[in-house]
Amino acid sequence: DQQVKQNSPSLSVQEGRISILNCDYTNSMFDYFLWYKKYPAEGPTFLISISSIKDKNEDGRFTVFLNKSAKHLSLHIVPSQPGDSAVYFCAAPPGGGSNYKLTFGKGTLLTVNP
Amino acid sequence: DGGITQSPKYLFRKEGQNVTLSCEQNLNHDAMYWYRQDPGQGLRLIYYSQIVNDFQKGDIAEGYSVSREKKESFPLTVTSAQKNPTAFYLCASSKDRVQETQYFGPGTRLLVL
Repeated sequence: DQQVKQNSPSLSVQEGRISILNCDYTNSMFDYFLWYKKYPAEGPTFLISISSIKDKNEDGRFTVFLNKSAKHLSLHIVPSQPGDSAVYFCAAPPGGGSNYKLTFGKGTLLTVNP
Repeated sequence: DGGITQSPKYLFRKEGQNVTLSCEQNLNHDAMYWYRQDPGQGLRLIYYSQIVNDFQKGDIAEGYSVSREKKESFPLTVTSAQKNPTAFYLCASSKDRVQETQYFGPGTRLLVL
């Protein structure tokens, strides 16, 4: 049973436009969410996170929105740049203050075209 | 510079052979993790360790073994019992159970000859 779902395996956008990557979750115990960015043959790098006490967290060009009632979060990248082309993973720890056993989505491949 | 190192970058295994992947961190993190990534899949947890001399099985531990004799080191052995070992292996660490952010190494790609 996939507790974290990224239903779009890929997304293609033009440079300068907005990229929106989506993530859905089923476990209502999740109270913290992370986004990771991964280039081929490299380890993921932490991008941005959000706690369930917030509905928005912004860091430069990256903003994550959380809709708890819909169990949905999204990552917005504005403006998109070719260097943003990578696989983006949504992840969540089990909740209750534990960070072990992060559950990852399958990832979305973002391609930003010049 | 602080970080996580994994070696080697590529590793070849013969049938019936055990191989060990190295993971070292100098971030003074208590917790360390091993993940496996297959094409089109997310990261799946193999083993994790919350503290020295302690480790727990993740979701796909069969055919793997680990040790945690030192805080900075968490080697993963892929045994001959692992029937489908070809994958990209990622090591990660985090400060403690309170801080949720895990930091990843560059990965090791294991190929079977």
